[in-house]
Amino acid sequence: GESVGLHLPTLSVQEGDNSIINCAYSNSASDYFIWYKQESGKGPQFIIDIRSNMDKRQGQRVTVLLNKTVKHLSLQIAATQPGDSAVYFCAENSLTSNQFYFGTGTSLTVIP
Amino acid sequence: DTAVSQTPKYLVTQMGNDKSIKCEQNLGHDTMYWYKQDSKKFLKIMFSYNNKELIINETVPNRFSPKSPDKAHLNLHINSLELGDSAVYFCASSPWGLAQQYFGPGTRLTVL
Repeated sequence: GESVGLHLPTLSVQEGDNSIINCAYSNSASDYFIWYKQESGKGPQFIIDIRSNMDKRQGQRVTVLLNKTVKHLSLQIAATQPGDSAVYFCAENSLTSNQFYFGTGTSLTVIP
Repeated sequence: DTAVSQTPKYLVTQMGNDKSIKCEQNLGHDTMYWYKQDSKKFLKIMFSYNNKELIINETVPNRFSPKSPDKAHLNLHINSLELGDSAVYFCASSPWGLAQQYFGPGTRLTVL
């Protein structure tokens, strides 16, 4: 059924600024994390991933940071562009217990 | 050369009807998934198949039945449709369980 009582977090940034999207994960056994981007009317698309033996990974204009101590994941987008407007999901995976979960998502709006 | 395709893209039907959504992937992946996304963008996994074998079966009504005739196809059949079934349904695939997933474009189901 519907996700009653829950709301999609939102973030608005000016074009050209850096964006930081945060995700708190729940399973301390999670050892592989993925960020997905979902544009309006489309399915989620892979952006970047990170394994638990790393605390930082960089891609093109994106950086993922992992803090296992506090079970926190963040996605940083440099020089945010209008095309970055989308809903961003983090996904946590436990390779040992064969479980994965998607986060609630954050809606990013870039203001031109 | 679409990677993950779903049909139909839109489905409008009356309560009580039975409908199917089809999914095909041409990536050679072993694992396929069905997700339900509600109007607040929450993404919930419903089923996962690995090489035609059901490996994840989350708590969904038994009116929903997945069928995998081969590892490139995972169809979703829904009996006795209810208003609460209205959502966007996404199919996805990955080379192995818990790896990066490739999503289809989604099927928007509206139950009247």
